[in-house]
Amino acid sequence: GAGVSQSPSNKVTEKGKDVELRCDPISGHTALYWYRQSLGQGLEFLIYFQGNSAPDKSGLPSDRFSAERTGGSVSTLTIQRTQQEDSAVYLCASSLAGTSGETQYFGPGTRLLVL
Amino acid sequence: AQKVTQAQTEISVVEKEDVTLDCVYETRDTTYYLFWYKQPPSGELVFLIRRNSFDEQNEISGRYSWNFQKSTSSFNFTITASQVVDSAVYFCALSERRGGSRLTFGEGTQLTVNP
Repeated sequence: GAGVSQSPSNKVTEKGKDVELRCDPISGHTALYWYRQSLGQGLEFLIYFQGNSAPDKSGLPSDRFSAERTGGSVSTLTIQRTQQEDSAVYLCASSLAGTSGETQYFGPGTRLLVL
Repeated sequence: AQKVTQAQTEISVVEKEDVTLDCVYETRDTTYYLFWYKQPPSGELVFLIRRNSFDEQNEISGRYSWNFQKSTSSFNFTITASQVVDSAVYFCALSERRGGSRLTFGEGTQLTVNP
């Protein structure tokens, strides 16, 4: 596709429910990243995929957060048993090869609100 | 540990004024990369520029210019003759060679250009 796409664009859920956020990277990009943007924490890194493997998932805030990538393309970020503090904008980015310092291109984000 | 500081939380100018957004970074790596992204009200992060640590040459792109100074660990961004469409949040970001591919973002500067 022309750019990184994410779905849904908005998600409202109740505390304790599970949610899945989807990211479709730029075609041909082997690296994919998830970030979270919240009022209190700014923009923070969550996880990085190179192909289908995640060499760096050190930013995941708790074991309620997990992510997977299949076919070297689409990625899903799953949050189990959501809490109110999970409310944020979840941003996905992709880059061509995932090498250090490579430019990352971002999608429009998913706005998650946990009631 | 890497860190990016954007001390200016909000800046308000009148159209056609010049404005400089400050960015100060901290890193122990000798090879690193600096970025600026623009986040308009729509929410998507738009890539503006990437510099590596070995290239201190300043860059100009239309009304935008960037001043990279390793001696002061700064990578400032100037918009000349600002326009209302420049209104956005601007983020400075750092990627270390040893830190893998993750980006560390500053807190962002909200720029408002008034007509």
